[in-house]
Amino acid sequence: SQQGEEDPQALSIQEGENATMNCSYKTSINNLQWYRQNSGRGLVHLILIRSNEREKHSGRLRVTLDTSKKSSSLLITASRAADTASYFCATGGFGNEKLTFGTGTRLTIIP
Amino acid sequence: DAGVIQSPRHEVTEMGQEVTLRCKPISGHNSLFWYRQTMMRGLELLIYFNNNVPIDDSGMPEDRFSAKMPNASFSTLKIQPSEPRDSAVYFCASVPSLSSGNTIYFGEGSWLTVV
Repeated sequence: SQQGEEDPQALSIQEGENATMNCSYKTSINNLQWYRQNSGRGLVHLILIRSNEREKHSGRLRVTLDTSKKSSSLLITASRAADTASYFCATGGFGNEKLTFGTGTRLTIIP
Repeated sequence: DAGVIQSPRHEVTEMGQEVTLRCKPISGHNSLFWYRQTMMRGLELLIYFNNNVPIDDSGMPEDRFSAKMPNASFSTLKIQPSEPRDSAVYFCASVPSLSSGNTIYFGEGSWLTVV
């Protein structure tokens, strides 16, 4: 069963705008990761946030984590056409086994 | 460095045929995962190995599915006999170890169509 659920399922925005995707999960976690999947390709790791962190930045990416609400958000600022992809959150327990992925958000950046 | 290498990238086969998917993990990585991705069910973990030993195969859907890892640099996922509902993208992935917080490195996937 899916541990994480992304919201929205699909998102279309104009190039240059910010894109925000949310992830909710059910059980206690040790860390949460975000991955990107371009069409027809494998998943690529973007960023990891640990359960004792509340916010993390990497380039144009900003991730927040609220363990009390069991939710995370991924913000992509100043979006580009190349950001068009599906984005997945993945939650792990204590150890990398059973890393489970959410259903993904399909992001389309309109040039 | 080469990433996780999967073959074949695409396969179309007839129902009832045996399908073998292959994976070469990143050198030095001790753990290997097989995932299946479909529109309906998303990304599902089928089985994972640690140091070539299967740790958890609870995600393997049926006895028609089997996976092996004869050595640290090679794994196979076999479906025998295949059925149309097995059509999916099958991903192999590896990590350096099963420590918490390790990044999982995915292959490009094997796109399977069973007709």
